[in-house]
Amino acid sequence: QQQVKQSPQSLIVQKGGIPIINCAYENTAFDYFPWYQQFPGKGPALLIAIRPDVSEKKEGRFTISFNKSAKQFSLHIMDSQPGDSATYFCAASEGSGGSNYKLTFGKGTLLTVNP
Amino acid sequence: DAGITQSPRHKVTETGTPVTLRCHQTENHRYMYWYRQDPGHGLRLIHYSYGVKDTDKGEVSDGYSVSRSKTEDFLLTLESATSSQTSVYFCATKQGAAGYTFGSGTRLTVV
Repeated sequence: QQQVKQSPQSLIVQKGGIPIINCAYENTAFDYFPWYQQFPGKGPALLIAIRPDVSEKKEGRFTISFNKSAKQFSLHIMDSQPGDSATYFCAASEGSGGSNYKLTFGKGTLLTVNP
Repeated sequence: DAGITQSPRHKVTETGTPVTLRCHQTENHRYMYWYRQDPGHGLRLIHYSYGVKDTDKGEVSDGYSVSRSKTEDFLLTLESATSSQTSVYFCATKQGAAGYTFGSGTRLTVV
């Protein structure tokens, strides 16, 4: 059972474009939704996270949009740069600690930003 | 990644042999996790720990065991390695409201 579904699997955009990565979840107990960025040969690194009490969160060029009723959230990267080329993972957990903060990850999106 | 060291970074082992991967943290974080990363599957939780000697299974725990005898070390053991356990293994820690911090991973090949 895949609790967090992520799409697309891969995405290619031109520099300056706005890639959008989407995730959908099933478990209504999830209340913490982070995005991780991973470069080849490295471990994933936390990029940005949101809780369901807000519909949008921005940090620099990265924005999470959250739709609680649809159980969907997405990552937008404004003015994308070749250095943003990486694999992006969405994730979800019961953030209050009831599940020991276990994260369930999507399968990842390989983003390529062409110069 | 600062504060988390995984060892070894690379390992090739034969089918049927036992293998132990080590995760060492210097941040005194309470929670530690082992994930495996495979193409098309993302990151899947193997086992996790919520304190010294307190561990529990994740979604893909079959064939794996863990131990945590002190806060800083979380060991993952493959009792008898199989080719299906060829993967990249990541350790992660969490403390309080902060997100996960991942190690740099161990690439394990079972031949």
